[in-house]
Amino acid sequence: DVKVTQSSRYLVKRTGEKVFLECVQDMDHENMFWYRQDPGLGLRLIYFSYDVKMKEKGDIPEGYSVSREKKERFSLILESASTNQTSMYLCASSSTSGQGRGIQYFGAGTRLSVL
Amino acid sequence: AQSVTQLDSHVSVSEGTPVLLRCNYSSSYSPSLFWYVQHPNKGLQLLLKYTSAATLVKGINGFEAEFKKSETSFHLTKPSAHMSDAAEYFCVVSRNTGRRALTFGSGTRLQVQP
Repeated sequence: DVKVTQSSRYLVKRTGEKVFLECVQDMDHENMFWYRQDPGLGLRLIYFSYDVKMKEKGDIPEGYSVSREKKERFSLILESASTNQTSMYLCASSSTSGQGRGIQYFGAGTRLSVL
Repeated sequence: AQSVTQLDSHVSVSEGTPVLLRCNYSSSYSPSLFWYVQHPNKGLQLLLKYTSAATLVKGINGFEAEFKKSETSFHLTKPSAHMSDAAEYFCVVSRNTGRRALTFGSGTRLQVQP
């Protein structure tokens, strides 16, 4: 089974702090994604990466950056956390080949509170 | 551009009765469509995927969905609801760009009454 692991389930940070959310997948997937989930809005794509050191902006990249130094790890960075970044953050990965191509596998999520 | 509209934010059914969760999509190209389920405090799990091979798609846990191009719909159904089906369900369309990011609907919360 594909496993996508997010390092923290719950995180509480203060306004202005730099925050790192980590995600690791164990299936050698090329693509990795970061979403935020808010009630009534579904999931919105923040950033995605299709290869090591490659990234593309999603729908709501403002206030976020990402890093992908190794294929299995994709980090989301909040440069200066703000209260409107309080949310559930979900990481996903997918393959570009085979029968499972395009299917995204999700981690359990990190619930971030910014005070 | 792609978009997805889930027509009901909440659906409540009795255990043993049919489930219908409605989804309409728009897409410039032939889309790939998915249904994902999210149980409380859990990540999202794929229920089923449509990729043009067959219009009726069967998924896990007895769910199925029918792709209707003329109606631009991809409704999710199950003949008989179980208490364990209570969760949030997301209809999703794959962007037909090279990177194939997903566009999510806003979700439908399914309640199952005993």
